[in-house]
Amino acid sequence: TQLLEQSPQFLSIQEGENLTVYCNSSSVFSSLQWYRQEPGEGPVLLVTVVTGGEVKKLKRLTFQFGDARKDSSLHITAAQPGDTGLYLCAGRKAAGNKLTFGGGTRVLVKP
Amino acid sequence: NAGVTQTPKFRVLKTGQSMTLLCAQDMNHEYMYWYRQDPGMGLRLIHYSVGEGTTAKGEVPDGYNVSRLKKQNFLLGLESAAPSQTSVYFCASDNKAIYEQYFGPGTRLTVT
Repeated sequence: TQLLEQSPQFLSIQEGENLTVYCNSSSVFSSLQWYRQEPGEGPVLLVTVVTGGEVKKLKRLTFQFGDARKDSSLHITAAQPGDTGLYLCAGRKAAGNKLTFGGGTRVLVKP
Repeated sequence: NAGVTQTPKFRVLKTGQSMTLLCAQDMNHEYMYWYRQDPGMGLRLIHYSVGEGTTAKGEVPDGYNVSRLKKQNFLLGLESAAPSQTSVYFCASDNKAIYEQYFGPGTRLTVT
């Protein structure tokens, strides 16, 4: 059983559509991060959220941290083929630098 | 500035063979990590190090050993490879001050 559950596991949409990826846990995290991973490469950090209820925007990507700091969501507006990849959420507990990763959501945006 | 590099990129082992994966970082980061990535499982922490000469177990340490003799290098060893260790292995590094983990490109290991 994973500490962080991501849903859906796979998402296939047409260019221009919107999508939302969810990251849920029963545990509280001091911060939560979202990474994107492309085939054959390591994950790259997109954003870090640290405050309950926080919303961050990165161009067409909107990230939200739940009020109780147990869940997060990633929303992409008007998706483009360049958004294709594996999206990973990762939570950090109050003590230490270790990250706990979710299982990932594979996003495919078709032109 | 190379960031995090991993050697080798690919490897095929037979059951029972041993090997060492090398990770190097040039960012002067204190913390280094070894993960394995399997389909649908995300990244799972094998071992990590909070400084030169120190190592600690992560979530899935069995069958692996590590060493951090130099600050910039973190080695992952498999003493007797098993098919269950077929995976993609990622090394990462960071500092407490930045909280962003920088990942290497990965090593794809197949154990037959």
